[in-house]
Amino acid sequence: GAVVSQHPSRVICKSGTSVKIECRSLDFQATTMFWYRQFPKQSLMLMATSNEGSKATYEQGVEKDKFLINHASLTLSTLTVTSAHPEDSSFYICSARPGTGGDGELFFGEGSRLTVL
Amino acid sequence: KQEVTQIPAALSVPEGENLVLNCSFTDSAIYNLQWFRQDPGKGLTSLLLIQSSQREQTSGRLNASLDKSSGRSTLYIAASQPGDSATYLCAARGGADGLTFGKGTHLIIQP
Repeated sequence: GAVVSQHPSRVICKSGTSVKIECRSLDFQATTMFWYRQFPKQSLMLMATSNEGSKATYEQGVEKDKFLINHASLTLSTLTVTSAHPEDSSFYICSARPGTGGDGELFFGEGSRLTVL
Repeated sequence: KQEVTQIPAALSVPEGENLVLNCSFTDSAIYNLQWFRQDPGKGLTSLLLIQSSQREQTSGRLNASLDKSSGRSTLYIAASQPGDSATYLCAARGGADGLTFGKGTHLIIQP
């Protein structure tokens, strides 16, 4: 199956700093990628839809100025958590769908665990 | 807004048993439904994808069914093994958007 890679898998940072997480589709192109967040014992929640070459679409309640998303190419989307605080500590997962069609399977990265001290 | 519910939240059974995990969704206008497996601290592994026009999909010991009209899907695991222990998530997709996930069923298979 298609492979989606996330980096870093784990990151620890101090409160107030910014952290960038990368999501790459290794063997396919994706015009759309999705970012999810998962708090302990909770379900994954969609944060935003990342669109190549245009602005991301954020879900209600997600601060677009805090979670900056850049989808500069068909194989890379980045999520930057700006001025991170302990409440931002979570498991962040991205997903991507091959091609531009809407009916394909979504493939997920391994996730990035962010701990803000 | 789509809501996905999974029952039971946790399940512990002896090795070898057949078991059924349940998933229900409130908005039947879904594009497809996907079942995932998540190991502790890990990402998601896609198990089965059922398109809205399909009623079931099979992969090895796994069988997933979909009843759109009633808003239900089940994941059937045959002859369970300790290696099947994980959290199983179902997720419904409505159109071009991302998925709406349930909270998962935490499955433990006792050796």
